[in-house]
This record gives sequence, structure tokens and C-alpha cells, in this order.
Amino acid sequence: GAGVSQSPSNKVTEKGKDVELRCDPISGHTALYWYRQRLGQGLEFLIYFQGNSAPDKSGLPSDRFSAERTGESVSTLTIQRTQQEDSAVYLCASSPRTGPNIQYFGAGTRLSVL
Amino acid sequence: RKEVEQDPGPFNVPEGATVAFNCTYSNSASQSFFWYRQDCRKEPKLLMSVYSSGNEDGRFTAQLNRASQYISLLIRDSKLSDSATYLCVVTPAGSSYKLIFGSGTRLLVRP
Repeated sequence: GAGVSQSPSNKVTEKGKDVELRCDPISGHTALYWYRQRLGQGLEFLIYFQGNSAPDKSGLPSDRFSAERTGESVSTLTIQRTQQEDSAVYLCASSPRTGPNIQYFGAGTRLSVL
Repeated sequence: RKEVEQDPGPFNVPEGATVAFNCTYSNSASQSFFWYRQDCRKEPKLLMSVYSSGNEDGRFTAQLNRASQYISLLIRDSKLSDSATYLCVVTPAGSSYKLIFGSGTRLLVRP
């Protein structure tokens, strides 16, 4: 079946604009994660959704960042009033409810804030 | 101190060489351990899980040393296609869903 799908693959925006990134997880995967990866860095955890439970938002860097997910489907990550330091690759991953925590990643959205 | 630390490299080795990477983690109560592989400008993909007893998958061997809080990855008979960044990943105690990623070790295998 299809893997994790993210769109857009690239996004260039001006400082101060809002952006919305989309993630479509693997069908049947109940858990969904967002990460940020700056150039040459590891992945930073942003937020985790599991089914209809309250999300773990502990990794969101500021109140300019928010994410939504309806049920076990598509998620959107919104960054308001973008800053240059928001430039990074935003990766989404999903995993099934049971078994070891093996996460399957999408190809990411490369965000450039000018 | 970072929760997961890795030597960034790059490790530059000839084809056929054996190469080893280490990774250290700070939380002694960490539960699960993995190695992910990330090709340039691509997403990370699971390479292998790391078990206390050690595990092997073809040319790849992973070891866990809980007493010293480090994880290792050994690659034998390196191939050009092994060139990538190898990410050490840890699941913290009390949070089975969260993965903490190291910054990665870059491997370059030359002809």
C-alpha cells in the first residue's frame, strides 16, 4: 500500500506569512508524529497523535506552531507568522497501534522562509 | 548534554572495510533502541532494532551496553550503497511512543 504522503514537498514563503503542511499517514496507522529537522541536525519531536486521545504537544517550539488531526486520518501542521529560523524539513511519521514503535516516515516538506 | 550523542563523522572508508559507530544515551531508564538510516535529502528508514542480547542482520550487527549506556553498529564488507547517515534512536522511559534521535553519523564508502 501507499506510504506516508506529505505535501507540499517544497514550500518557499516570506517571513511573517502563515504556512500549512499536510500529512496523510499509512492507512490503518493510529499514531502520527511530526518532527523538524534543521540542516545537519537530528530530528526534533514536535507533536504526537494517537487515535482520539489528547495529543502530546510537548515538542512544539512556540505558540506559533499548531497541529490538527481528525480521527486517524490526515494531519496538518500550521506555522503562523513564520520566521527564518523555522526553515527546516518537516517530517511526518506514522506507526500502527500495536507492536514495537517502528515509525514510517514521509519524504518531508522542505520549508524555506525568506 | 544531549539525550543521544553521536560522532558526526564523516567516516570515509574503502569498499569492503569494516566500520563501527557508537552512540551514547543519557537516560539510564531508556527502553528501546534503534538504528535508522537516512540517505541524503531523504526520509529516515528503520535499519534495525537493538536488543540487549545483540542482533545481527546480514552485514550489520547492533549491540547494546546498558551499563555503559551505549549502542553500537558494526557494518562488515562495506558497500558503496551503505553511504548514508546513520541515526541512533532511543525511546525514553515512560514514553513508549516517543523517539529521541541522535544527530547522526555520516558514512562515505569510496570505491
